[in-house]
Amino acid sequence: QSALTQPASVSGSPGQSITISCTGTSSDIGNYNYVSWYQQHPGKAPQLMIYDVTNRPSGVSNRFSGSKSGNTASLTISGLQAEDEADYYCNSYTSSSTLVVFGGGTKLTVL
Amino acid sequence: QVQLQESGPGLVKPSETLSLTCAVSGYSISSGYYWGWIRQPPGKGLEWIGSIYHSGSTYYNPSLKSRVTISVDTSKNQFSLKLSSVTAADTAVYYCASHYIWGSYRLDYWGQGTLVTVSS
Repeated sequence: QSALTQPASVSGSPGQSITISCTGTSSDIGNYNYVSWYQQHPGKAPQLMIYDVTNRPSGVSNRFSGSKSGNTASLTISGLQAEDEADYYCNSYTSSSTLVVFGGGTKLTVL
Repeated sequence: QVQLQESGPGLVKPSETLSLTCAVSGYSISSGYYWGWIRQPPGKGLEWIGSIYHSGSTYYNPSLKSRVTISVDTSKNQFSLKLSSVTAADTAVYYCASHYIWGSYRLDYWGQGTLVTVSS
Protein backbone atom coordinates (compact mmCIF):
# COMPACT_ATOMS: atom_id res chain seq x y z
CA GLN A 1 0.00 0.00 0.00
CA SER A 2 1.44 3.34 -1.12
CA ALA A 3 1.76 6.24 1.28
CA LEU A 4 0.04 8.61 -1.19
CA THR A 5 -3.32 7.67 -2.71
CA GLN A 6 -4.06 8.14 -6.40
CA PRO A 7 -6.97 6.90 -8.50
CA ALA A 8 -6.01 3.80 -10.46
CA SER A 9 -7.23 5.24 -13.73
CA VAL A 10 -8.68 8.33 -15.38
CA SER A 11 -9.72 8.96 -18.94
CA GLY A 12 -10.63 11.80 -21.22
CA SER A 13 -11.17 12.69 -24.86
CA PRO A 14 -8.74 14.70 -26.95
CA GLY A 15 -9.03 18.39 -26.22
CA GLN A 16 -10.63 17.88 -22.81
CA SER A 17 -9.07 18.52 -19.41
CA ILE A 18 -8.50 15.93 -16.73
CA THR A 19 -7.33 16.10 -13.13
CA ILE A 20 -5.44 13.44 -11.19
CA SER A 21 -5.57 13.64 -7.41
CA CYS A 22 -2.93 12.58 -4.90
CA THR A 23 -3.99 12.38 -1.27
CA GLY A 24 -1.59 12.26 1.63
CA THR A 25 -1.51 13.46 5.23
CA SER A 26 -0.30 16.35 7.33
CA SER A 27 3.08 14.60 7.47
CA ASP A 28 3.63 15.09 3.76
CA ILE A 29 1.40 16.98 1.32
CA GLY A 30 -0.56 18.85 3.98
CA ASN A 31 2.40 20.67 5.49
CA TYR A 32 5.02 20.77 2.73
CA ASN A 33 5.04 22.20 -0.79
CA TYR A 34 7.39 19.50 -2.07
CA VAL A 35 5.04 17.61 -4.36
CA SER A 36 6.30 16.46 -7.73
CA TRP A 37 4.62 14.63 -10.60
CA TYR A 38 6.14 12.15 -13.06
CA GLN A 39 4.92 10.89 -16.43
CA GLN A 40 5.89 7.39 -17.50
CA HIS A 41 5.21 5.91 -20.92
CA PRO A 42 5.31 2.11 -21.27
CA GLY A 43 8.84 0.76 -21.15
CA LYS A 44 10.32 4.19 -20.49
CA ALA A 45 11.81 5.96 -17.50
CA PRO A 46 9.66 8.44 -15.56
CA GLN A 47 9.95 12.10 -16.54
CA LEU A 48 9.56 15.03 -14.15
CA MET A 49 6.51 17.13 -15.15
CA ILE A 50 5.80 19.27 -12.06
CA TYR A 51 7.84 20.05 -8.95
CA ASP A 52 7.22 22.05 -5.77
CA VAL A 53 3.45 21.66 -6.36
CA THR A 54 3.15 24.13 -9.25
CA ASN A 55 6.48 24.51 -11.07
CA ARG A 56 7.13 23.15 -14.55
CA PRO A 57 10.66 22.20 -15.64
CA SER A 58 11.95 23.76 -18.81
CA GLY A 59 10.57 21.96 -21.86
CA VAL A 60 7.37 20.68 -20.23
CA SER A 61 4.20 21.83 -21.94
CA ASN A 62 2.14 24.50 -20.17
CA ARG A 63 -0.85 22.19 -20.63
CA PHE A 64 0.41 20.54 -17.45
CA SER A 65 -0.30 22.31 -14.17
CA GLY A 66 -0.25 21.44 -10.49
CA SER A 67 -2.08 22.60 -7.40
CA LYS A 68 -2.67 21.67 -3.78
CA SER A 69 -5.47 21.98 -1.26
CA GLY A 70 -5.07 20.62 2.23
CA ASN A 71 -3.70 17.08 2.11
CA THR A 72 -4.46 16.64 -1.59
CA ALA A 73 -2.34 17.62 -4.56
CA SER A 74 -3.62 17.61 -8.12
CA LEU A 75 -2.21 17.40 -11.61
CA THR A 76 -4.32 18.92 -14.37
CA ILE A 77 -3.73 18.28 -18.06
CA SER A 78 -5.61 20.57 -20.40
CA GLY A 79 -6.14 20.11 -24.11
CA LEU A 80 -5.59 16.36 -23.87
CA GLN A 81 -3.50 14.84 -26.63
CA ALA A 82 -2.94 11.22 -27.57
CA GLU A 83 0.69 11.49 -26.46
CA ASP A 84 -0.46 12.25 -22.90
CA GLU A 85 -1.62 8.67 -22.49
CA ALA A 86 0.74 7.31 -19.83
CA ASP A 87 1.06 6.49 -16.15
CA TYR A 88 1.40 9.40 -13.74
CA TYR A 89 2.97 9.28 -10.28
CA CYS A 90 2.96 11.84 -7.51
CA ASN A 91 5.76 12.12 -4.99
CA SER A 92 6.15 14.12 -1.80
CA TYR A 93 8.62 14.86 0.93
CA THR A 94 7.50 13.35 4.22
CA SER A 95 8.53 14.22 7.76
CA SER A 96 8.39 10.53 8.60
CA SER A 97 11.59 8.51 8.42
CA THR A 98 11.01 7.67 4.76
CA LEU A 99 12.11 11.09 3.37
CA VAL A 100 10.03 10.81 0.17
CA VAL A 101 7.01 8.73 -0.82
CA PHE A 102 5.33 7.93 -4.13
CA GLY A 103 1.70 7.50 -4.96
CA GLY A 104 0.54 4.23 -6.46
CA GLY A 105 0.21 5.70 -9.93
CA THR A 106 -2.67 6.61 -12.24
CA LYS A 107 -3.14 5.28 -15.74
CA LEU A 108 -4.41 8.00 -18.08
CA THR A 109 -6.31 6.81 -21.14
CA VAL A 110 -7.02 9.22 -23.97
CA LEU A 111 -10.22 7.98 -25.57
CA GLN B 1 22.82 17.78 -20.13
CA VAL B 2 22.86 15.30 -17.27
CA GLN B 3 22.78 11.68 -18.39
CA LEU B 4 22.65 8.58 -16.22
CA GLN B 5 23.25 4.96 -17.21
CA GLU B 6 22.65 1.92 -15.02
CA SER B 7 24.71 -1.24 -15.40
CA GLY B 8 24.95 -4.59 -13.67
CA PRO B 9 23.81 -8.22 -13.81
CA GLY B 10 20.29 -8.80 -15.06
CA LEU B 11 19.92 -12.05 -13.11
CA VAL B 12 20.66 -12.60 -9.42
CA LYS B 13 20.12 -15.75 -7.40
CA PRO B 14 17.95 -15.71 -4.27
CA SER B 15 19.83 -14.88 -1.06
CA GLU B 16 22.66 -13.25 -3.02
CA THR B 17 23.53 -9.56 -3.33
CA LEU B 18 22.26 -7.37 -6.14
CA SER B 19 24.88 -4.88 -7.32
CA LEU B 20 24.27 -2.02 -9.75
CA THR B 21 26.28 1.01 -10.84
CA CYS B 22 25.06 4.31 -12.24
CA ALA B 23 27.45 6.27 -14.44
CA VAL B 24 26.81 10.01 -14.58
CA SER B 25 27.85 12.09 -17.59
CA GLY B 26 27.46 15.74 -18.45
CA TYR B 27 27.59 16.75 -14.79
CA SER B 28 30.02 16.38 -11.91
CA ILE B 29 28.68 14.02 -9.28
CA SER B 30 30.34 16.31 -6.72
CA SER B 31 28.11 19.26 -7.59
CA GLY B 32 24.75 20.00 -6.04
CA TYR B 33 22.66 16.86 -6.28
CA TYR B 34 22.03 13.88 -4.19
CA TRP B 35 21.97 10.72 -6.34
CA GLY B 36 19.23 8.19 -5.88
CA TRP B 37 17.95 4.73 -6.67
CA ILE B 38 14.30 3.95 -7.39
CA ARG B 39 12.79 0.61 -8.36
CA GLN B 40 9.61 -0.58 -10.05
CA PRO B 41 8.43 -4.21 -9.86
CA PRO B 42 6.85 -5.44 -13.10
CA GLY B 43 3.39 -3.91 -13.51
CA LYS B 44 3.64 -2.00 -10.24
CA GLY B 45 4.47 1.48 -8.96
CA LEU B 46 7.67 3.30 -8.07
CA GLU B 47 9.53 2.81 -4.80
CA TRP B 48 12.35 5.08 -3.62
CA ILE B 49 15.28 3.03 -2.29
CA GLY B 50 17.74 5.66 -1.12
CA SER B 51 19.97 8.59 -2.07
CA ILE B 52 23.57 9.65 -1.51
CA TYR B 53 25.57 12.90 -1.61
CA HIS B 54 29.15 13.09 -2.86
CA SER B 55 30.27 13.45 0.75
CA GLY B 56 28.83 10.04 1.52
CA SER B 57 25.77 11.31 3.38
CA THR B 58 22.88 8.94 2.76
CA TYR B 59 19.15 8.60 3.15
CA TYR B 60 17.54 5.16 2.95
CA ASN B 61 13.98 3.90 2.76
CA PRO B 62 13.42 2.35 6.21
CA SER B 63 11.67 -0.63 4.64
CA LEU B 64 14.91 -1.59 2.86
CA LYS B 65 17.55 0.02 5.06
CA SER B 66 18.77 -3.20 6.67
CA ARG B 67 19.68 -4.64 3.26
CA VAL B 68 20.77 -1.56 1.28
CA THR B 69 24.13 0.11 0.83
CA ILE B 70 24.60 3.04 -1.54
CA SER B 71 28.11 4.30 -2.22
CA VAL B 72 29.70 6.96 -4.42
CA ASP B 73 32.95 7.06 -6.41
CA THR B 74 33.68 10.66 -7.32
CA SER B 75 36.83 9.73 -9.25
CA LYS B 76 34.70 7.70 -11.68
CA ASN B 77 31.67 10.02 -11.48
CA GLN B 78 29.42 7.14 -10.53
CA PHE B 79 27.46 5.72 -7.64
CA SER B 80 26.38 2.22 -6.75
CA LEU B 81 23.64 0.17 -5.11
CA LYS B 82 24.00 -3.06 -3.20
CA LEU B 83 20.92 -4.95 -1.99
CA SER B 84 21.62 -8.05 0.05
CA SER B 85 19.65 -11.23 0.69
CA VAL B 86 17.43 -10.74 -2.33
CA THR B 87 14.22 -12.63 -2.96
CA ALA B 88 11.81 -12.78 -5.88
CA ALA B 89 10.10 -9.70 -4.43
CA ASP B 90 13.20 -7.69 -5.36
CA THR B 91 12.66 -8.39 -9.06
CA ALA B 92 12.19 -4.97 -10.61
CA VAL B 93 13.42 -2.35 -13.02
CA TYR B 94 16.00 -0.32 -11.11
CA TYR B 95 16.44 3.34 -12.00
CA CYS B 96 19.09 5.79 -10.93
CA ALA B 97 18.27 9.49 -10.82
CA SER B 98 19.52 12.89 -9.72
CA HIS B 99 17.76 13.83 -6.49
CA TYR B 100 17.58 17.55 -5.70
CA ILE B 101 16.71 17.59 -2.03
CA TRP B 102 17.59 21.19 -1.18
CA GLY B 103 14.04 22.22 -0.43
CA SER B 104 12.46 20.46 -3.39
CA TYR B 105 13.03 16.71 -3.23
CA ARG B 106 12.47 16.32 -6.95
CA LEU B 107 14.03 13.66 -9.17
CA ASP B 108 15.21 15.66 -12.17
CA TYR B 109 17.09 13.29 -14.42
CA TRP B 110 16.62 9.54 -14.73
CA GLY B 111 18.53 6.67 -16.25
CA GLN B 112 16.76 4.37 -18.69
CA GLY B 113 16.45 1.66 -16.04
CA THR B 114 17.73 -1.89 -15.88
CA LEU B 115 15.67 -5.01 -15.20
CA VAL B 116 17.00 -7.24 -12.46
CA THR B 117 15.38 -10.66 -12.07
CA VAL B 118 15.87 -12.70 -8.93
CA SER B 119 15.68 -16.35 -9.80
CA SER B 120 17.65 -19.54 -9.34
